[in-house]
Amino acid sequence: AQSVTQPDIHITVSEGASLELRCNYSYGATPYLFWYVQSPGQGLQLLLKYFSGDTLVQGIKGFEAEFKRSQSSFNLRKPSVHWSDAAEYFCAVSGATNKLIFGTGTLLAVQP
Amino acid sequence: GAGVSQSPSNKVTEKGKDVELRCDPISGHTALYWYRQRLGQGLEFLIYFQGNSAPDKSGLPSDRFSAERTGESVSTLTIQRTQQEDSAVYLCASSERPKSSGANVLTFGAGSRLTVL
Repeated sequence: AQSVTQPDIHITVSEGASLELRCNYSYGATPYLFWYVQSPGQGLQLLLKYFSGDTLVQGIKGFEAEFKRSQSSFNLRKPSVHWSDAAEYFCAVSGATNKLIFGTGTLLAVQP
Repeated sequence: GAGVSQSPSNKVTEKGKDVELRCDPISGHTALYWYRQRLGQGLEFLIYFQGNSAPDKSGLPSDRFSAERTGESVSTLTIQRTQQEDSAVYLCASSERPKSSGANVLTFGAGSRLTVL
């Protein structure tokens, strides 16, 4: 069965600093990988996805993520964080069953 | 519609009562998902519908939980004899039929917040 681990429950960064949120997945075949963001009081929004091809994928709001098969990872990065990026970030994996399984999330706080 | 619509947005009920939560997916989306999000936790998969195929019910936590979907339209999640542990936000999502298995991009509704007293 597929699963996702987000080891960091809570991260605080200063505005303008770089960001990396970790995600490790478990899946026996080629995974489909996603990052979603949930802002306070709002629904989930897709940031980016990896299906195949280039392992570095670009998303909205200046985010990118890199798929590393050897490490079973799909870490999310942003070179310079803005205060509006404060939110909860969820990594997710999907496979042949079309069942999207989410990690427990990382709550990002941004200090001025 | 333009997005995934869920109702009610908030529901407060007493322990032991039954509740129904409704989801109206994006028109033309063949797949529909229900997730549960407890306070401070991640999204817990409940059930997945794809067209007229048998649903994947593997995430339903107990037989008090059930869901129905008529064709490729509205879905209803029913919780019978609610317990306090059922308090959570219930999220619905829909997606187009993926071009390949797993490549489905979900669009989420705003959720139904259930509080069981």
